[in-house]
Amino acid sequence: DTGVSQNPRHKITKRGQNVTFRCDPISEHNRLYWYRQTLGQGPEFLTYFQNEAQLEKSRLLSDRFSAERPKGSFSTLEIQRTEQGDSAMYLCASSLVAGFTGELFFGEGSRLTVL
Amino acid sequence: DQQVKQNSPSLSVQEGRISILNCDYTNSMFDYFLWYKKYPAEGPTFLISISSIKDKNEDGRFTVFLNKSAKHLSLHIVPSQPGDSAVYFCAARYGGNTPLVFGKGTRLSVIA
Repeated sequence: DTGVSQNPRHKITKRGQNVTFRCDPISEHNRLYWYRQTLGQGPEFLTYFQNEAQLEKSRLLSDRFSAERPKGSFSTLEIQRTEQGDSAMYLCASSLVAGFTGELFFGEGSRLTVL
Repeated sequence: DQQVKQNSPSLSVQEGRISILNCDYTNSMFDYFLWYKKYPAEGPTFLISISSIKDKNEDGRFTVFLNKSAKHLSLHIVPSQPGDSAVYFCAARYGGNTPLVFGKGTRLSVIA
């Protein structure tokens, strides 16, 4: 399967703990995006990378959130000192830059539940 | 501020009939509009797109119409099939370096 892969698929944690999600994009895609989706909402943009450079961050990405893409391949999204409001589906997507018309390829998501 | 709005949370249609999903936007700088479909426990998948310089794009049973003066687009599915039952998201972007902005989605149920 050469699609976007996200791990873990589900994570339950206690408030105050740190969690990390991993995303492996489609191999030839140089752009990687993180979105968050809560119940009844559409995906909300968090941040994106072009190769290893983080080009844009949403104001939703508080200082407890950090994302990296160290070698321009996989990416991690870490949430420190989790809060109940962080409970959501975290979606990763990738795309090519050349000829980009907006189509993103999404993974299945990582669902976070903060107790 | 919701730049992309899908005002109908749900829609129910009989199999074989036309499904029409609507989307309104506020940002006149948007240059590409896309529709994504999402099944439960899966990520959204791209369905169809339209450039702001066009007013219609068709792909099989799916057609997207864009009315720039009204800042409105719609997705037509005809004929609707039970497998089309999913949540449909409207999305838009302004320029190749900006992330997609999504609406809240419309849940389509196609009844056999």
